[in-house]
Amino acid sequence: GAVVSQHPSRVICKSGTSVKIECRSLDFQATTMFWYRQFPKKSLMLMATSNEGSKATYEQGVEKDKFLINHASLTLSTLTVTSAHPEDSSFYICSASGMSGRPGHEQYFGPGTRLTVT
Amino acid sequence: LAKTTQPISMDSYEGQEVNITCSHNNIATNDYITWYQQFPSQGPRFIIQGYKTKVTNEVASLFIPADRKSSTLSLPRVSLSDTAVYYCLVGEGAAGNKLTFGGGTRVLVKP
Repeated sequence: GAVVSQHPSRVICKSGTSVKIECRSLDFQATTMFWYRQFPKKSLMLMATSNEGSKATYEQGVEKDKFLINHASLTLSTLTVTSAHPEDSSFYICSASGMSGRPGHEQYFGPGTRLTVT
Repeated sequence: LAKTTQPISMDSYEGQEVNITCSHNNIATNDYITWYQQFPSQGPRFIIQGYKTKVTNEVASLFIPADRKSSTLSLPRVSLSDTAVYYCLVGEGAAGNKLTFGGGTRVLVKP
């Protein structure tokens, strides 16, 4: 159990275009989903926290108008990178939590999406 | 959120036991300790979580002393496929609370 998927796994887009990344919890209801970005050989950096049906909470320094997050259901959250630029190229990873009956604060991570902006 | 400190890297050999210690001096009463494993270009994978004493599952053991200011992840008899980055995280024991990733420990298992 506790499987999280992301789509697409890899995307290349041109500068100025927008890209949407989907994150789905396949076998549990995720009340909270998180979005991270990770640069090569660096740790994960939390971008935002989203709760189903409410606005996302962004970390300091993350532009909410550039990284649009929608958490419309308990199994789906989307991250849209608007007007992407080469510096937005990164590995984007989502995670989900809220599995009933589990202690602590386990988060289950998706496989990640490699975004390359040319 | 409690800050964590881990060694940057560790080398080991196949079949050996690997122990990674994480310091978290400011851990709060409600905090759990969680370890994740990450392979290149993949999302982190949950390994183990604990609150105090010792926790063991099919892949690892987690040792937490009484003062909870540190914890040690123990990987028994590692194989080449255990080469990865291991992250220690500390946070409140409730679903939905955010995690802050530190630098992690890069473990290299050699033949």
